[in-house]
Amino acid sequence: AQSVAQPEDQVNVAEGNPLTVKCTYSVSGNPYLFWYVQYPNRGLQFLLKYITGDNLVKGSYGFEAEFNKSQTSFHLKKPSALVSDSALYFCAVRDSGGSTLGRLYFGRGTQLTVWP
Amino acid sequence: DTAVSQTPKYLVTQMGNDKSIKCEQNLGHDTMYWYKQDSKKFLKIMFSYNNKELIINETVPNRFSPKSPDKAHLNLHINSLELGDSAVYFCASSQDFSGRLETQYFGPGTRLLVL
Repeated sequence: AQSVAQPEDQVNVAEGNPLTVKCTYSVSGNPYLFWYVQYPNRGLQFLLKYITGDNLVKGSYGFEAEFNKSQTSFHLKKPSALVSDSALYFCAVRDSGGSTLGRLYFGRGTQLTVWP
Repeated sequence: DTAVSQTPKYLVTQMGNDKSIKCEQNLGHDTMYWYKQDSKKFLKIMFSYNNKELIINETVPNRFSPKSPDKAHLNLHINSLELGDSAVYFCASSQDFSGRLETQYFGPGTRLLVL
């Protein structure tokens, strides 16, 4: 079974501080991992993905994520948070095997609030 | 240029009515999806089409019927709407469904409220 866990419903950080949004996953094969961001009353915007290769993936708006196979984690990070980063963040996973037919499994989302 | 667009953006209707949501993508992608986001923001896939062919049909009531007239369009028709159908429905597309090119791009969502 494939699944994603985002253990924190909410993350609060002060502007200028580093931020981390946690994600752990479970797949039967090799994972493809994604982070999306949802601003209020908007659709999901793609931030970054891990397919293979370098464990540190860089994405949009200064975000990056680190793939850790032994811990089955894919935490989202940013060195210096901005108030405009406040949004709902989703981690998603799919198995690299073709049998999943592209199904993406999403975590329940983490609401990030950055305080000025 | 809007990559994945949905109409309408908001839909308020009475129980028992039939309604449709339209989705179009101009990315040249082969695969399109419908997701439902519930009131707790949980996202779950409903359907997927690849080149107009249905490839994913999750456990969804048969009141929901997707239709793909061509690979750039995927519409969702809902019969006999129920209160529990109130949610945000997202359309998405990806270049394909089986390979590494499969980043899914989402539309802005259709907020459905059934009264």
